[in-house]
Amino acid sequence: AQKVTQAQTEISVVEKEDVTLDCVYETRDTTYYLFWYKQPPSGELVFLIRRNSFDEQNEISGRYSWNFQKSTSSFNFTITASQVVDSAVYFCALSDSFTGNQFYFGTGTSLTVIP
Amino acid sequence: ETGVTQTPRHLVMGMTNKKSLKCEQHLGHNAMYWYKQSAKKPLELMFVYSLEERVENNSVPSRFSPECPNSSHLFLHLHTLQPEDSALYLCASSQGRSMGGRTEAFFGQGTRLTVV
Repeated sequence: AQKVTQAQTEISVVEKEDVTLDCVYETRDTTYYLFWYKQPPSGELVFLIRRNSFDEQNEISGRYSWNFQKSTSSFNFTITASQVVDSAVYFCALSDSFTGNQFYFGTGTSLTVIP
Repeated sequence: ETGVTQTPRHLVMGMTNKKSLKCEQHLGHNAMYWYKQSAKKPLELMFVYSLEERVENNSVPSRFSPECPNSSHLFLHLHTLQPEDSALYLCASSQGRSMGGRTEAFFGQGTRLTVV
């Protein structure tokens, strides 16, 4: 069965600290896609990144970086030098051939960056 | 125009009312979704419409009725709701798997529904 686990419910960091959000997934499929979304207080889920199962290269985009490790079924998200605007709920999601067009979301991690 | 637009943004309705939520996507996608997000609960997939399938979460009560007249529009018809139905309702769209790949879903800003 498909499952996405975000064990960290809430995290607080002081501005400029680095923070890593954990995501562990389960799937029987060999072809799958992983995603990260940001949900600010306004409510809209904002897409951050998509990674397919054949691409294990880590990715960096500005202060954001993602570490994909198939060996541990993890797709962790690191924010470097956090800022107050990073305060939001972050969701990890999975899609594979068994889920059809569906996306399975983790329960989210609420990040608060304290100025 | 934004990619996925939801109206209204806020809705307060009585338990005997009938209302509809509207979602429109301008991204050329062929799959659309309704999600429910309640406080302190995970995102709950309610319905999926695509070229390949219509998926309904069996736990969704019949007082929620989806309608998808075409690939760009999605409605959620509401009638005789309960206070526990108060939540943020999010619409999303994606390129369906029939198009050769799995893209990310793009979300609207949501409708904050309050049932009184």
